[in-house]
Amino acid sequence: RKEVEQDPGPFNVPEGATVAFNCTYSNSASQSFFWYRQDCRKEPKLLMSVYSSGNEDGRFTAQLNRASQYISLLIRDSKLSDSATYLCAVNRAGNNRKLIWGLGTSLAVNP
Amino acid sequence: DTGVSQDPRHKITKRGQNVTFRCDPISEHNRLYWYRQTLGQGPEFLTYFQNEAQLEKSRLLSDRFSAERPKGSFSTLEIQRTEQGDSAMYLCASSPGQGVTGNTIYFGEGSWLTVV
Repeated sequence: RKEVEQDPGPFNVPEGATVAFNCTYSNSASQSFFWYRQDCRKEPKLLMSVYSSGNEDGRFTAQLNRASQYISLLIRDSKLSDSATYLCAVNRAGNNRKLIWGLGTSLAVNP
Repeated sequence: DTGVSQDPRHKITKRGQNVTFRCDPISEHNRLYWYRQTLGQGPEFLTYFQNEAQLEKSRLLSDRFSAERPKGSFSTLEIQRTEQGDSAMYLCASSPGQGVTGNTIYFGEGSWLTVV
């Protein structure tokens, strides 16, 4: 089993839809969790950190479920500009310096 | 622009040649990382510096790869005797290393390497 797993998609949704992605991690001692957005042939850009209490930034909401060992990203009122690959990253337990990455989930928002 | 900067952005080289990439991290960040990414994959960790000390190096990194951060500021990644399998985007990233957001990393725009 991979340390961090994501459904690669692609997720095809119409504008205005709500879409959610999950990312599972295998090490229960992991401490830091992040969602990054990556456009084609560009660098990953931090979307949001994921806190235990969950956090929200505009149309984006991130949640952490420690019991089931996954993080989620919810996008409400999808825009065409949300089309991208969404990468999750999890720190390796005992090694806060290095993040382990999922392969990403591809999202296409259609007009 | 005070983000992470990388140079060159694109490099095409012949197999067997050496290439060097430079990274300038965010100025107050003391951690610097090198990653490699190919299409359809997530970033793959190569190596990590805390100030000038190289603290970790991936076992996936062959002896042809070497990285330095001599003064704890900019870093270079050199690939010797390039092979076609080295073709990828090489990403540099930095993080503060302390505080609540100490583990949050910020990427540069990447250096694309094509080995022909």
